[in-house]
Amino acid sequence: AQSVTQLDSHVSVSEGTPVLLRCNYSSSYSPSLFWYVQHPNKGLQLLLKYTSAATLVKGINGFEAEFKKSETSFHLTKPSAHMSDAAEYFCVVIYASGGSYIPTFGRGTSLIVHP
Amino acid sequence: ETGVTQTPRHLVMGMTNKKSLKCEQHLGHNAMYWYKQSAKKPLELMFVYSLEERVENNSVPSRFSPECPNSSHLFLHLHTLQPEDSALYLCASSQERGNTIYFGEGSWLTVV
Repeated sequence: AQSVTQLDSHVSVSEGTPVLLRCNYSSSYSPSLFWYVQHPNKGLQLLLKYTSAATLVKGINGFEAEFKKSETSFHLTKPSAHMSDAAEYFCVVIYASGGSYIPTFGRGTSLIVHP
Repeated sequence: ETGVTQTPRHLVMGMTNKKSLKCEQHLGHNAMYWYKQSAKKPLELMFVYSLEERVENNSVPSRFSPECPNSSHLFLHLHTLQPEDSALYLCASSQERGNTIYFGEGSWLTVV
């Protein structure tokens, strides 16, 4: 079965320190991978996406993610956290296999940023 | 502004009421989705429409009834809901299934 695992339900960092949000997927096929951010009382906003081009993907607000096929990972990083980064982050995988294009969502990682 | 507009943003309804959630996308997409987001639970896909035809229905109770009159509009008709149906309902669209999904801001539903 296809799955997406976000390894941490909560990540806590201090403002100005690096952010790492981890995501692993299971698939025998080349997926499309996405990270979304959800601020309180808001919908999901696309941060970045990987669709088999460059393995290092740059997104909005200084975030980037690296696709590592050997590790089946797509971790989200940012060099320096800002208070406004505090939000829920979702890793999403879309598998193009057998005509099925159902997006699979991770359970989310809550990023907490301390002053 | 994401290009996907949901109304109302907040809805409180009794268990015997009938109401509808509306979604409109201005992106020229041909696939639309309804998701349910409850506290402490993963995002749940409810319905998928592609080219105005329903292509997925993930065992959603019949008290939720979707309608897609054209590729730009999607409705979720609600009747005789239960308190456990209280959640954030997110509409989304994409240019064909499998492509990037764009979400609306959501409709907060409270069933009393």
